[in-house]
Amino acid sequence: QLQVQESGPGLVTPSETLSLICAVSGASVNSETHYWGWIRQPPGKGLEWVASIYYTGLTYYNPSLKSRVTIAADTSTNHFSLTVSSVTAADTAIYYCAGRGAEFSGNYVFNSWGQGTLVTVSS
Amino acid sequence: SFELSQAPSVSVSPGQTATITCSGDQLGEKYASWYQQKPGQSPVLVIYEDHKRPSGIPERFSGSNSGNTATLTISGTQTMDEADYYCQAWDSSTVLFGGGTKLTVL
Repeated sequence: QLQVQESGPGLVTPSETLSLICAVSGASVNSETHYWGWIRQPPGKGLEWVASIYYTGLTYYNPSLKSRVTIAADTSTNHFSLTVSSVTAADTAIYYCAGRGAEFSGNYVFNSWGQGTLVTVSS
Repeated sequence: SFELSQAPSVSVSPGQTATITCSGDQLGEKYASWYQQKPGQSPVLVIYEDHKRPSGIPERFSGSNSGNTATLTISGTQTMDEADYYCQAWDSSTVLFGGGTKLTVL
C-alpha cells in the first residue's frame, strides 16, 4: 500500500529557504506507474497545488510559484523533496506530499496523502 | 489561465441528495476528480476520471462532467459526509484545484 509522510521545520524565517522531505513506502519514487506532488493549504483556506515530479525526473510547477520552488526525487533514500526560496508570511500553510498509485496510472490525481506538516513563516 | 470555480457552501438534509458543482472553461474536455476533506484531516480522493470511484468509496458518491461543469452527487447523504469538497483537473501540465465547497448536512 502506497504511503507518504512529510517532514520538515515548523518555523521558517522570512526571506529564508523552506525545505521539506516526503518519505515514500510501498513504491519506488522512480516507478514508471507512480507520480508525486506537493500541495499546500493556508490555514482556513483551500488547496493549492505546488509542484509534481515523474519517475523520469520531469517536473511541473504552479506558474505562480515556479520561480521560487524546486521539486526533486532521491532514489537512494526513496524520498522526494520540495524547496521554497525567499519565503514570506504568504507561504505559511499546511504542506502535504502526495502520490498517485499504479492503479490510477495515466491520471493526474493523488490517492495517497501524508498527514501534512504546518509550516509557519515568521521572525 | 484555466480556473475552476465552486460555490462556497451547500446544505442538504440527511438522506437527501447533495449536488456540488465545479465550473471551468470546457471542463468537460478534461478529466475531473473530487476530494473530500474533513476538519483536521488530509484530503481523500472520492471520484476520478469524472465518474470512477476508488476502492473503498461508497456507491452513494457519483460524478459526471460535461460542457463547462463537473458535478459530484452524493445520494442518501449521511452526516458523516459533512466535509469540504474540492474538484481538481489537469490543464497544460498544471494541476488545478477548485476553491472548495463546504457541505453541511443538517
